Amino acid sequence: DAGVIQSPRHEVTEMGQEVTLRCKPISGHNSLFWYRQTMMRGLELLIYFNNNVPIDDSGMPEDRFSAKMPNASFSTLKIQPSEPRDSAVYFCASSSNGGPSYEQYFGPGTRLTVT
Amino acid sequence: QKEVEQNSGPLSVPEGAIASLNCTYSDRGSQSFFWYRQYSGKSPELIMFIYSNGDKEDGRFTAQLNKASQYVSLLIRDSQPSDSATYLCAVSSGGYQKVTFGIGTKLQVIP
Repeated sequence: DAGVIQSPRHEVTEMGQEVTLRCKPISGHNSLFWYRQTMMRGLELLIYFNNNVPIDDSGMPEDRFSAKMPNASFSTLKIQPSEPRDSAVYFCASSSNGGPSYEQYFGPGTRLTVT
Repeated sequence: QKEVEQNSGPLSVPEGAIASLNCTYSDRGSQSFFWYRQYSGKSPELIMFIYSNGDKEDGRFTAQLNKASQYVSLLIRDSQPSDSATYLCAVSSGGYQKVTFGIGTKLQVIP
């Protein structure tokens, strides 16, 4: 079975440019999470969707960040305009409400570098 | 105060020894506790979860939970070089799938 799919795997862009990260969750999972990981701050939750509805976006750092989930099989995280401090690895994860452990399955991540 | 505290390490142990990884959390209402393993350059993967006070064993791994002390730990017996990774402690307050992750402890198993 395919796991969580993220694209692109690597993104290098210049400050001020728009960046769009994409995620396809595991089929049948109804929760989706976007995380950002840096050495200094570790793994931080940015936003959480349940059944395609944003439930908690308190981790979105500022208005430059936005996320959408138009259907159960696709989500995007957009940064506009991007800044060097946005450089990090961005993970998408999905889980099933029915799972007793609420285990989250992570995608391979997108390594973003903003110069 | 961070919600989930871990020593970032590195924690170095010789091959065959027991590695002990520790985590404390601040929310007394926390109900679910997870240990994720993350190899360098890879994504986190769940290795253990625990809900009740006491110990939970799975192969070479044992998770220990003490809610009164707000403390959770992971023991790895017979440590192998392949166990070298960063171990992330994660905590959930239940009824909601949001988990808060610690910074992670880097474990190095020396052959």
